[in-house]
Amino acid sequence: QVQLQESGPGLVKPSETLSLTCTVSNYSITSHYYGGWIRQPPGKGLEWIGSLYHGTPFYSPSLKGRVTMSVDTSKNQFFLSLTSVTAADAALYYCASHDSVSGNIDTWGQGILVTVSS
Amino acid sequence: EIVMTQSPATLSVSPGERATLSCRASESISSNLAWFQQKPGQAPRLLIYDASTRPTGISARFSGRGSGTEFTLTISSLQSEDFAVYFCQQYKNWRPLTFGGGTKVEIK
Repeated sequence: QVQLQESGPGLVKPSETLSLTCTVSNYSITSHYYGGWIRQPPGKGLEWIGSLYHGTPFYSPSLKGRVTMSVDTSKNQFFLSLTSVTAADAALYYCASHDSVSGNIDTWGQGILVTVSS
Repeated sequence: EIVMTQSPATLSVSPGERATLSCRASESISSNLAWFQQKPGQAPRLLIYDASTRPTGISARFSGRGSGTEFTLTISSLQSEDFAVYFCQQYKNWRPLTFGGGTKVEIK
């Protein structure tokens, strides 16, 4: 069974870049891995950030070009970079995998809480 | 952007009763809809995909129906572990993928 685990700093300063890593277990990812990121402010709903699917990145337009995702197959990891963070970016960040055929999200990591503060 | 609207926001149900949750898309998404369950302090869990398909290991108490713009998730005979928040998500249009606001199923 595929397992996902987020890692990264829990605290980021305003205007800096948030960088998160998702480590995939029990599955060897390729450069066309079907992974994504979703976030959830405490007590609120789910917001999709972006996904890589069949080698193509899809990003939320609401994040206005601040998002980049990438993959390192040698480490079985994929990454999220979110630039110019503000307090509005504070949330629980989840990495997830998509089904390669139907496209739906099928597996989630446990999440990592990110605070934005100076 | 496809807007997903869930109703009601909160559903109060007694254990053993049936719960029916609704999700509406602002335009047709065919059957490209998933339902997730989220309990406090936990990540969401996939319950239904392709509108009506249960992944392996998901109880038959959970069933999904619908296509186009109207979808329902039914939980038959609610158990204590079913009290949670439920989200729907469309994956017809990836620019962007969108979630509903969630329905909280609470004990009546």
